[in-house]
Amino acid sequence: KNEVEQSPQNLTAQEGEFITINCSYSVGISALHWLQQHPGGGIVSLFMLSSGKKKHGRLIATINIQEKHSSLHITASHPRDSAVYICAVESQTSGSRLTFGEGTQLTVNP
Amino acid sequence: DAGVTQSPTHLIKTRGQHVTLRCSPISGHKSVSWYQQVLGQGPQFIFQYYEKEERGRGNFPDRFSARQFPNYSSELNVNALLLGDSALYLCASRSGTYGTQYFGPGTRLTVL
Repeated sequence: KNEVEQSPQNLTAQEGEFITINCSYSVGISALHWLQQHPGGGIVSLFMLSSGKKKHGRLIATINIQEKHSSLHITASHPRDSAVYICAVESQTSGSRLTFGEGTQLTVNP
Repeated sequence: DAGVTQSPTHLIKTRGQHVTLRCSPISGHKSVSWYQQVLGQGPQFIFQYYEKEERGRGNFPDRFSARQFPNYSSELNVNALLLGDSALYLCASRSGTYGTQYFGPGTRLTVL
């Protein structure tokens, strides 16, 4: 079992829909990251969380440390949101290296 | 400020050859990490360097090595290339040992 599990693996939505991507992890963490990867490979950091909730524009990230679970929400989705969304954790015992989930491929259709 | 830069962008090698990938972090960032991303999978941690010292190593064979220079730039070296080393190699920098990591565009390595 991977230390970081994401669901769903693939997600197709219509423009304007509310989207949720989930991430579960099995280790104690010091931080959780949500990343966005576009075709071609470039990775952009969206959020870094250690507790609670963060919001940036139409993106919201939440984390529940007790349940070892995080969610990334996209409100009013747009075709330009189409990308792979990756959850990654920094564990308390492995220093500051990131352990990544497999990613969620999001496609938003107009 | 320039972001994290990596060179080369693409590289084609044959089995058994050696390759050197380069990374320049964001100015002022002292920590550099290397990741390997095989097609269709999430990235895997290879190395982390901070202040020119190795701070972590992932589950990769000794054919993989790295170093960090006084200007905090870094090189990843892979010897005796195998077909399975074909991947996108990502470099990320951060100012210290904690905080947001900023990723470079990656080097796509193809081993034939």
